[in-house]
Amino acid sequence: GAGVSQSPSNKVTEKGKDVELRCDPISGHTALYWYRQSLGQGLEFLIYFQGNSAPDKSGLPSDRFSAERTGESVSTLTIQRTQQEDSAVYLCASRPAPPGRLNEQFFGPGTRLTVL
Amino acid sequence: DQQVKQNSPSLSVQEGRISILNCDYTNSMFDYFLWYKKYPAEGPTFLISISSIKDKNEDGRFTVFLNKSAKHLSLHIVPSQPGDSAVYFCAAELGSGNTGKLIFGQGTTLQVKP
Repeated sequence: GAGVSQSPSNKVTEKGKDVELRCDPISGHTALYWYRQSLGQGLEFLIYFQGNSAPDKSGLPSDRFSAERTGESVSTLTIQRTQQEDSAVYLCASRPAPPGRLNEQFFGPGTRLTVL
Repeated sequence: DQQVKQNSPSLSVQEGRISILNCDYTNSMFDYFLWYKKYPAEGPTFLISISSIKDKNEDGRFTVFLNKSAKHLSLHIVPSQPGDSAVYFCAAELGSGNTGKLIFGQGTTLQVKP
């Protein structure tokens, strides 16, 4: 398909374990965003990648969270020493160009993370 | 500090009637607003947007109204259809030069009854 894909779709882990979530953006999209949606909450911005620029990490909730992106392709979000409050749906979105008024973000289906 | 608020967690309307979803924001620096629709187990999909220089944008059955003085926007769906049943998120974007990251509201679950 041509859309944003994420894997795994579901992840159950034990408290204290590390997890890695993957996002494949739409080919050619230069901007990539990670958000998370906790139960009953809206989407919360985590991190933004744009080309080779330094990422905007202002939304990461703690230093246990990190993300990488290889060029303008795959991104991985890593959560170390997971806590129960990390349980959420983690959503990835991509955008075709630097912010433009008509360039909305295209979202993947998300990864549902459950920390026991 | 919730910069974008959707105070109604749910809304139920009859098919064919108008659905009105509301959104309030606090940051006057927001200059672009979007509505996303989300079905269960799927990512949000873009629905409609409006620039802060406008007060209305229409696309088919969907119209978004912006009242900058009140820091309020609303999404009107008319006529509502059962397939419109979903969670609707309001989102705001800061001005030019920003990264384009979106600030989302909590969402409103719309149910359109046949």
